[in-house]
Amino acid sequence: DAKTTQPTSMDCAEGRAANLPCNHSTISGNEYVYWYRQIHSQGPQYIIHGLKNNETNEMASLIITEDRKSSTLILPHATLRDTAVYYCIATSGGSNYKLTFGKGTLLTVNP
Amino acid sequence: ETGVTQTPRHLVMGMTNKKSLKCEQHLGHNAMYWYKQSAKKPLELMFVYSLEERVENNSVPSRFSPECPNSSHLFLHLHTLQPEDSALYLCASSRAQGEAFFGQGTRLTVV
Repeated sequence: DAKTTQPTSMDCAEGRAANLPCNHSTISGNEYVYWYRQIHSQGPQYIIHGLKNNETNEMASLIITEDRKSSTLILPHATLRDTAVYYCIATSGGSNYKLTFGKGTLLTVNP
Repeated sequence: ETGVTQTPRHLVMGMTNKKSLKCEQHLGHNAMYWYKQSAKKPLELMFVYSLEERVENNSVPSRFSPECPNSSHLFLHLHTLQPEDSALYLCASSRAQGEAFFGQGTRLTVV
């Protein structure tokens, strides 16, 4: 799996968009980018994933650069409940599929 | 509610005890995982089962013994643990490629 690099922490004002970057410069062509978050002392929660195209669901949007070396998770209107550690993971599917978590980004949403 | 249920939620055990953690999913997933999360550390992947066969074992000490009797159930048998094994143990399930769903975890304290 490709190594991912994320900032240690970020702050965001409530109601504003939170943009969380992730660098995965060594990602291979068959590796997807997954985003999870973990609210304190709970199990991680899946947010979104993508391969090449930008993706959007009810929780967030994922923007992947054309060269696929980086991506940005966007929470369009952050709330206090979005305060969590956000993990960006690059992994392929099939028998090689596994989720290896790094340290992630602690996003703090402030009132 | 993620569809992945872990029991017990909390467990205190002595170093000479034998106990088991249980994980159950009825999501039709064919892969199940055990993770360990120690205080202020990233999640560590311990074991992966795909189609009920162990496909990953990240050099976990033999005092941790996994068992996957069928695609819906996963156990982690514990014996002669050490205080440093105190942690949050998380179970997850997924299809071969796709989002993983995590349980709420078992908070284990070894005394």
